[in-house]
Amino acid sequence: NAGVTQTPKFRVLKTGQSMTLLCAQDMNHEYMYWYRQDPGMGLRLIHYSVGEGTTAKGEVPDGYNVSRLKKQNFLLGLESAAPSQTSVYFCASSYSAGVSTDTQYFGPGTRLTVL
Amino acid sequence: QKEVEQDPGPLSVPEGAIVSLNCTYSNSAFQYFMWYRQYSRKGPELLMYTYSSGNKEDGRFTAQVDKSSKYISLFIRDSQPSDSATYLCAMSGKITSGTYKYIFGTGTRLKVLA
Repeated sequence: NAGVTQTPKFRVLKTGQSMTLLCAQDMNHEYMYWYRQDPGMGLRLIHYSVGEGTTAKGEVPDGYNVSRLKKQNFLLGLESAAPSQTSVYFCASSYSAGVSTDTQYFGPGTRLTVL
Repeated sequence: QKEVEQDPGPLSVPEGAIVSLNCTYSNSAFQYFMWYRQYSRKGPELLMYTYSSGNKEDGRFTAQVDKSSKYISLFIRDSQPSDSATYLCAMSGKITSGTYKYIFGTGTRLKVLA
């Protein structure tokens, strides 16, 4: 049971380049999330998905796109990277949202630097 | 005003000390309160959760919720160097009909000195 895995672990981009971050979970969770974590800002929700084929915007969606073609995978894309997108990106999944015993399971993170 | 406020620290304590970590919040719709622990260069992991007001104990950890004051706490007894991490509070609740919100604090960095 790998839980939540993220690929890649590190990446350096130049301004304007594009990339895709991959998240995979093997817990059969319905909900998946992408967060970014910056010093002093905490975890901020970028996009989330409540099931295969569905996506929705979170708190800071601008400059990012997502896709959930398969239940176990959630992709985060940066079409034209900007230095403001330098951050640590975390993927998380949960069985459902708003349930009292709901827990979000996090991946190990991807450290992205945009020069 | 931020919806959730958490002192970023760092908080340094000697081994064996009692640690108190706190968050305040402004939205009375929050019903579920969680504490996550995040080790350096790792993802957060759930430590404890409580529903509504009251206390919950798990080993050396006690979570406390005071909804009337909109204040939550995590106490760590007999703190160990292995407790050194960032602790994030989180809370969730039904904000509008069919809409839930799950929000994290910014985290408090704790260092327990041997």
